[in-house]
Order: sequence, then C-alpha cells, then structure tokens
Amino acid sequence: DTEVTQTPKHLVMGMTNKKSLKCEQHMGHRAMYWYKQKAKKPPELMFVYSYEKLSINESVPSRFSPECPNSSLLNLHLHALQPEDSALYLCASSRLGTKGAGELFFGEGSRLTVL
Amino acid sequence: TQLLEQSPQFLSIQEGENLTVYCNSSSVFSSLQWYRQEPGEGPVLLVTVVTGGEVKKLKRLTFQFGDARKDSSLHITAAQPGDTGLYLCAGGRSNYQLIWGAGTKLIIKP
Repeated sequence: DTEVTQTPKHLVMGMTNKKSLKCEQHMGHRAMYWYKQKAKKPPELMFVYSYEKLSINESVPSRFSPECPNSSLLNLHLHALQPEDSALYLCASSRLGTKGAGELFFGEGSRLTVL
Repeated sequence: TQLLEQSPQFLSIQEGENLTVYCNSSSVFSSLQWYRQEPGEGPVLLVTVVTGGEVKKLKRLTFQFGDARKDSSLHITAAQPGDTGLYLCAGGRSNYQLIWGAGTKLIIKP
C-alpha cells in the first residue's frame, strides 16, 4: 500500500474544462513533487514544494497551476489543457536534510486524458 | 546537461536466468537510486547507494555503485516472473532533483 494517495486515478477532460488533481501524504515529508510521465519514458519533474513553498518550476506552462495548502496536501489545477498533456501525473514526497533526502515516495498516479 | 544512460532499454528472458542492468554517466552523483514501476502505478524505491564502491543486496537483487560514483548496476539472480516491470535508475544532484535514466523494461517469461 502506498503512503502517498492520489485522486482521481483516472480523469478525462475536454480542452475547455477546469479540473484538479489531488495528492496527500502523512509521512511528515516536507518536500512534495509533481511529475509527468509519458508511456515508456521516465518521469519528468514539473514542480517541487519545500516547506509548502514552491521551490522549483521546471518551465511548466501556466495551464498547470500547483498549490500546496499544507504540509500534507498538494494539488495540481488544470485549465485549458491540450491533447498532448495526456499522461500519467505522479505525486511524490521526500524528506529534506541529509538522511534519506531526495528518496521519492510516489503515489499511484492520475491517468489524465485530454480530448 | 547531465545524462544518465541506462541499458538495455528492453530485456525479455526466461525464468531462472540472470541479468544485469547498467546506468552510466560522465558526471558524479551524490547518490544513485533504483526504482521499479509496474503498469498503472508509480515507481517504488528499491535502494539508494551513496558511497563509491558500495554494494547492496535485496534478496536476489544486487546493486553496485561505481568507485567514482558515475555508474551503477543492478544484477538479478534467478529472475522470476514477479520481477517483471520497468526499472529506473536516478542520480541525485541535489535535495530535490534527480537525473533519470530512460528505463529498462524487463519481462520474465515463465
């Protein structure tokens, strides 16, 4: 059982829709991540939150808007997406500091299809 | 740009055989992580190696970090169908950022 929970598991949306992906972890991790993964490819980093502050945005288009309401929750708001944004969106968390830093605990992902 | 070259990209073998997956780079990493991902799920961390020359074992899986911390290998002994999955290596560059290999899709046939 994963300790990082993502909802929904599957999402189909049109290009004019607004939807959100949600992620929750209760491991006390202070870093949370959004990754995008296309079929047969490694995950691509999108955003990193550290202590609830956005610390990395990998030049992601503004149609993706992250939000970190508290240390356990991470959202990804989606608006006016394109069909090429269809992918598996993975949330992850990790410790900060020296011991175990950067070791990622992933959720099961949200499979997004944009029509 | 730091690259982490992973090979082979695809491997299909019979149950009971041994195999090795490699990750190589010209850059030094602070750590090297190995993940396994099954279809429709997120990657699961298998091991982290941080010291040059380090060897870690996880049942039939043996992980090695090169002396110069630029390369790593994953060796599976007597592979089983349950080992099937996508294996990903990732080099640690900072607290937040990992450089990912392209992945090795492994199929173990019964």
